[in-house]
Amino acid sequence: QSVLTQPPSASGTPGQRVTISCSGSSSNIGSNYVDWYQQLPGTAPTLLIYRNDQRPSGVPDRFSGSKSGTSASLAISGLRSEDEADYYCAAWDDSLSGPVFGGGTKLTVL
Amino acid sequence: QMQLQESGPGLVKPSETLSLTCTVSGASISSSSYYWGWIRQPPGKGLEWIATVYYSGSTYYSPSLKSRVTISVDTSKNQFSLKLSSVTAADAAVYYCARGRKYCSSGTCLLDYFDYWGQGTLVTVSS
Repeated sequence: QSVLTQPPSASGTPGQRVTISCSGSSSNIGSNYVDWYQQLPGTAPTLLIYRNDQRPSGVPDRFSGSKSGTSASLAISGLRSEDEADYYCAAWDDSLSGPVFGGGTKLTVL
Repeated sequence: QMQLQESGPGLVKPSETLSLTCTVSGASISSSSYYWGWIRQPPGKGLEWIATVYYSGSTYYSPSLKSRVTISVDTSKNQFSLKLSSVTAADAAVYYCARGRKYCSSGTCLLDYFDYWGQGTLVTVSS
């Protein structure tokens, strides 16, 4: 059971906009930044979004993040086949004094 | 270009101790801006933070694993290591080492995000 809650799956067709939600509590998302990681099949996770809505160098602006209260969202616009991956949200948890992850959302591009 | 590389046995017997090392290249592990951590992923499951270390030797552990985990840093070798004792089948996973950005606010510092990850090493627990 992950501390942060994500839907297990999401899907969309090429060109569509897809959003993935991440729900937490006041001790994590509610009081700290949210990050998102992309894990392509068979590879290590990579940082996709940090501090709620910041993109590392090299991440396309098709990817965007937002946060409101104790929830966060990752949006992917102009969906492409290469976006098919697992996506994880993460945040620092004040109660656990460490980072916590969501259970991951498997994105399928139909 | 910064790289992290995990190394260690891929097979550990139940009740024994899992030992892994992460070698950092392209950056100094002694930077005051970063933590260094271990994260694991059981087959087909999600990510779980295990532990984090600062170059000074300060350590931080997941409460659920704290009693069995030791993380350490060797600045002379630009490496950090993980030991997990009394392993069971539940500890079988891909183990990743990663660099964590340090963020400080109002006198409190925490791990902001993991910006670089190793490729991961699969550890199997079996007799």
